[in-house]
Amino acid sequence: DIQMTQSPSSVSASVGDRVTITCRASQDISSWLAWYQQKPGKAPKALIYAASNLQSGVPSRFSGSESGTDFTLTISSLQPEDFATYYCQQANSFPFTFGPGTKVDIK
Amino acid sequence: QVQLQQSGPGLVKPSQTLSLTCAISGDSVSSNSVSWNWIRQSPSRGLEWLGRTYYRSKWYYNYAVSVNSRIFINPDTSKNQFSLQLTSVTPEDTAVYYCARFSGSNYQFFDYWGQGSLVTVSS
Repeated sequence: DIQMTQSPSSVSASVGDRVTITCRASQDISSWLAWYQQKPGKAPKALIYAASNLQSGVPSRFSGSESGTDFTLTISSLQPEDFATYYCQQANSFPFTFGPGTKVDIK
Repeated sequence: QVQLQQSGPGLVKPSQTLSLTCAISGDSVSSNSVSWNWIRQSPSRGLEWLGRTYYRSKWYYNYAVSVNSRIFINPDTSKNQFSLQLTSVTPEDTAVYYCARFSGSNYQFFDYWGQGSLVTVSS
């Protein structure tokens, strides 16, 4: 199975901050990487697909990029509604696997 | 707008079968461009993909090795829904279970999710 790691595991930030989360795949996954946001008691919500494509309805302050097996989710200016846990997920091969998550909380 | 509505019991006894249903609106379980999946989430295992079904002239199924001998995913075209059955459950199967649609081709991500069902395995 492809292992997904994320760093940091948590980050404390303030409204307006730029936040960057990194996800690394244990092997090549091409660009088949998605990012999700999850709030307590809710299902994950897709933000980015195919590494850098913004899902419909997601604010443009969210962006994704890739460099080899490293992928980055950037929130350009953190808003109050962005405090949540973020997960990456590879869709290159079965079984689909998720990262352990990065919790973004209030500084 | 696609919506997935989950239903099923929240408490299952050890060694029994966990059963959940995911009713689809706004799409068809027989759609040719997507797959229908079950995913669970627990503090110990994180988000874990369990399996999927999809239709491409016939029905296909894929299951995670971790549950392969215990899992069944069944589409029901008459009710436009799909179900999960997980047999011989133990307390380690306690988790929040989600159904989700996976869009393939140039997308390759879970674009719609059910609301989640907390299933506790306990006597």
